[in-house]
Amino acid sequence: DAKTTQPPSMDCAEGRAANLPCNHSTISGNEYVYWYRQIHSQGPQYIIHGLKNNETNEMASLIITEDRKSSTLILPHATLRDTAVYYCIVTFSGAGSYQLTFGKGTKLSVIP
Amino acid sequence: SAVISQKPSRDICQRGTSLTIQCQVDSQVTMMFWYRQQPGQSLTLIATANQGSEATYESGFVIDKFPISRPNLTFSTLTVSNMSPEDSSIYLCSVDRGGIGELFFGEGSRLTVL
Repeated sequence: DAKTTQPPSMDCAEGRAANLPCNHSTISGNEYVYWYRQIHSQGPQYIIHGLKNNETNEMASLIITEDRKSSTLILPHATLRDTAVYYCIVTFSGAGSYQLTFGKGTKLSVIP
Repeated sequence: SAVISQKPSRDICQRGTSLTIQCQVDSQVTMMFWYRQQPGQSLTLIATANQGSEATYESGFVIDKFPISRPNLTFSTLTVSNMSPEDSSIYLCSVDRGGIGELFFGEGSRLTVL
């Protein structure tokens, strides 16, 4: 799996958009970008994933650069409940198994 | 979504003993994964468990220390054997029900070894 680099921590004001960056310069053509988050004392929660097109769901948007070497997770209107560690993971997506390798992630603190 | 129940949610154990953690899923799944999260650290994959076959262990984890059972498509157990304080961690079970990399995690089992 390709290695990812994320800032260790970020702050965001409540109600503002939170933009979490991730660098994955060694990503290969068949690798997807996944985002998970882990709220304190809970198991990780899937947020979104994508290959090369931008993706949006009810939780967030994922913007992947044209060269696919970096991506940004956007929480459009951050709330205090979005305070968590956010993990960017790059892995091959094929039928069957997924072995997600979690890095250190970005600790997002949403400030009132 | 998938509902995953883990038991026990937490336990305090003595050095040298063993503890079995159970993971129950509300639907049939092919792949189940066991992760460990040491204090203040990220998650590390221990092994992948398929029903009807031996679990596949990641580097640094061995079957004698972390035996895994997968008797059917909704249940798995992870045993932490001959525990030491270094085994104090949160152990998490996860499943990929949809086959697209969307893993669902249990709430974890917090183990403290004295």
